[in-house]
Amino acid sequence: DTAVSQTPKYLVTQMGNDKSIKCEQNLGHDTMYWYKQDSKKFLKIMFSYNNKELIINETVPNRFSPKSPDKAHLNLHINSLELGDSAVYFCASSQEQGIRAEAFFGQGTRLTVV
Amino acid sequence: AQTVTQSQPEMSVQEAETVTLSCTYDTSESDYYLFWYKQPPSRQMILVIRQEAYKQQNATENRFSVNFQKAAKSFSLKISDSQLGDAAMYFCAYRRGGGADGLTFGKGTHLIIQP
Repeated sequence: DTAVSQTPKYLVTQMGNDKSIKCEQNLGHDTMYWYKQDSKKFLKIMFSYNNKELIINETVPNRFSPKSPDKAHLNLHINSLELGDSAVYFCASSQEQGIRAEAFFGQGTRLTVV
Repeated sequence: AQTVTQSQPEMSVQEAETVTLSCTYDTSESDYYLFWYKQPPSRQMILVIRQEAYKQQNATENRFSVNFQKAAKSFSLKISDSQLGDAAMYFCAYRRGGGADGLTFGKGTHLIIQP
């Protein structure tokens, strides 16, 4: 079973559209994240979320919004897509407390806005 | 705010030789974790090695080891007996202990293995 899975793997869409990327983890972790990897491979956190708090990176446009229906899911909704939103988006999860603090990543979603 | 710096955009090594990737970080926290992640062309992010700041002993995982210098805020990765499958982007990452603010990544080092 895949630990962190996100769908779709590839997404091509037109400017102005609204799209969602889904993420699910079966590790029982209490915290989930969305990261953006730009064309220069730089990875930057967008959101982190657990049942206590949502932390939003202040540089993320409010067109991006995380939605968590339950502890195992954190979906990413993007409104009014722009060309600059083209990137690879990674979902990840980790256990906030405990010895093992590493994040487990999904396989990434390559978003192309045309 | 914490920062992570990888000063080597690209490194090249002959197969079977040893290579060291550099990473420095800046933080005012005393409780934190450091990681090296590997990203092959498949783009999957794979954990290579983890170091807890409170541990003085350097972490090792088979051919991978780190040199953790806490006072100097340095966290380098040594890959011994390099193999073709080691070719990838390598990212150094920092995470504060506790809290849910995620990982801060360096810009990555592209490792090339020469056969």
